[in-house]
Amino acid sequence: SQKIEQNSEALNIQEGKTATLTCNYTNYSPAYLQWYRQDPGRGPVFLLLIRENEKEKRKERLKVTFDTTLKQSLFHITASQPADSATYLCAPTRRTYKYIFGTGTRLKVLA
Amino acid sequence: NAGVMQNPRHLVRRRGQEARLRCSPMKGHSHVYWYRQLPEEGLKFMVYLQKENIIDESGMPKERFSAEFPKEGPSILRIQQVVRGDSAAYFCASSPRQGEETQYFGPGTRLLVL
Repeated sequence: SQKIEQNSEALNIQEGKTATLTCNYTNYSPAYLQWYRQDPGRGPVFLLLIRENEKEKRKERLKVTFDTTLKQSLFHITASQPADSATYLCAPTRRTYKYIFGTGTRLKVLA
Repeated sequence: NAGVMQNPRHLVRRRGQEARLRCSPMKGHSHVYWYRQLPEEGLKFMVYLQKENIIDESGMPKERFSAEFPKEGPSILRIQQVVRGDSAAYFCASSPRQGEETQYFGPGTRLLVL
């Protein structure tokens, strides 16, 4: 069955450093992969979408890579700030409305 | 342009009562999706609706759960005879067209069953 793995342990990094989060998936081939941010008590907020034929995508301090051979996406936040502290969800998605989400990685940026 | 709105934000029910969760999609969006998030689990798809139609309810439990999206008014997720295991965060998302790649989520309704 389809499976998505994100680091279940929280990631603590120092302010100003680059945070790197990993999303691995198995048993299916997504057409695209999305990253969302979720703060406690709030709904997921869309950040970035990368398609299967794209290797990398950037938006301001965010960078996403998508390796369909490794079945992995990496999500980078450069020059991290305490305000970046949140849970980050990945959703590798086929051409369908049924999103499948990972459980998320909790990021804490220390001042 | 207001985002997806959900109410109530928090709902407490006793076992056996009914829970009604409401979702108003973003302006111009006619496709609504409901997801459930259990503690320490990822969001799970429940149902996809367009105005007056249920397109896919494959993720919704067969009993006690129902959803609608009437011609006028918000989408409603109804849970009858709630049990403790229904305690979760329920999120609604919307998109303007089927196949639109990005769904925009509301703030969720946190249901607690005592």
